[in-house]
Amino acid sequence: GAVVSQHPSRVICKSGTSVKIECRSLDFQATTMFWYRQFPKQSLMLMATSNEGSKATYEQGVEKDKFLINHASLTLSTLTVTSAHPEDSSFYICSASENQPQHFGDGTRLSIL
Amino acid sequence: GQQLNQSPQSMFIQEGEDVSMNCTSSSIFNTWLWYKQDPGEGPVLLIALYKAGELTSNGRLTAQFGITRKDSFLNISASIPSDVGIYFCAGQLRGSGGSNYKLTFGKGTLLTVNP
Repeated sequence: GAVVSQHPSRVICKSGTSVKIECRSLDFQATTMFWYRQFPKQSLMLMATSNEGSKATYEQGVEKDKFLINHASLTLSTLTVTSAHPEDSSFYICSASENQPQHFGDGTRLSIL
Repeated sequence: GQQLNQSPQSMFIQEGEDVSMNCTSSSIFNTWLWYKQDPGEGPVLLIALYKAGELTSNGRLTAQFGITRKDSFLNISASIPSDVGIYFCAGQLRGSGGSNYKLTFGKGTLLTVNP
């Protein structure tokens, strides 16, 4: 149980493109989902917390207009990286929480050329 | 953001050896979690600890929630090549509302097992 699916697993696109990443909880309802960013050989950095039906809470230093989060249902949250630039290239990981503990998706490798 | 002190940063061991890693924090957590991450994948939950002093096993893995609620350790016995990966500790405060369920992660321990 507690399977979290993240899609796509890899994206390569040109600078200026907007990219949408989906995070789904497959066998449970997740009132809370989290979005992380991970640079090579580093730990996970929390970007934002999204609660179903309400606005996401962003961590300090994360631009909410750059990283749009939508959590419209109890099984789906999306992260849109708007007008992506090379510095946005990273590994993005979502997690979902059915109360606790958090279960993670397999991540999305985003490469902006 | 806040991070836990996780050590060691990396370990190189022979197959069959036991491994121990730990995390400490300056603040109290109500839950300690241990995850393993393989390259290019998301972290996978290994063990969750909910009570101070709790000792929990999952196969060859054993973890303990420190009595002060500021530390936790993970032991792996009789290591095998597939134990290779990065192990992360994470602390969690429980509270009202989803935002208080966020995790604070350690920097990870990279484990290499030589066959």
